[in-house]
Amino acid sequence: GESVGLHLPTLSVQEGDNSIINCAYSNSASDYFIWYKQESGKGPQFIIDIRSNMDKRQGQRVTVLLNKTVKHLSLQIAATQPGDSAVYFCAEKEGADGLTFGKGTHLIIQP
Amino acid sequence: GAGVSQSPRYKVAKRGQDVALRCDPISGHVSLFWYQQALGQGPEFLTYFQNEAQLDKSGLPSDRFFAERPEGSVSTLKIQRTQQEDSAVYLCASNFAPGLGNQPQHFGDGTRLSIL
Repeated sequence: GESVGLHLPTLSVQEGDNSIINCAYSNSASDYFIWYKQESGKGPQFIIDIRSNMDKRQGQRVTVLLNKTVKHLSLQIAATQPGDSAVYFCAEKEGADGLTFGKGTHLIIQP
Repeated sequence: GAGVSQSPRYKVAKRGQDVALRCDPISGHVSLFWYQQALGQGPEFLTYFQNEAQLDKSGLPSDRFFAERPEGSVSTLKIQRTQQEDSAVYLCASNFAPGLGNQPQHFGDGTRLSIL
């Protein structure tokens, strides 16, 4: 199928290394942030979320950091595996409506 | 349990034809969202339902786009008089309920629409 990673920034990491994917968001009033993973031909898959009253949240092998001062979000993936290859999107939300997605980063895992 | 289901997975139509895309949200999910994803881009919000009420349709690109959710479960996105720029993947997402704080939206695998 067609790749959703065309024309996206690319991050290439060695298998087993840690990956850090960065995202700048635009709306200072956003109160909820979320990271999705999207594989080719699939819909976005939820990874981890964070509310604006937090600056860090950890999941299994993943950590999200939120810096509201500079409107920056990052996703850290520990011990990257081949199955982590995908396009990663950050998204933000203000209130009850839809998400606003960032441009996406294509993560490539080198063996 | 079953996730969000969308049909058809692929749809090819000639310019000027009308199309209808279906979304079955996760059972019990009150909120339903439609997004449009162009190739190489992130999804863009189209419209949002809470039960059968369409609370926000600010993202619909033109009056050729129409969405409904008459019984508060299954939703249909209709595009009339399709044009080539409508070619994209149309994603549906759902989550449990507003008023419980922010929750992740769960996405289907989308319908890839190609207009010839």
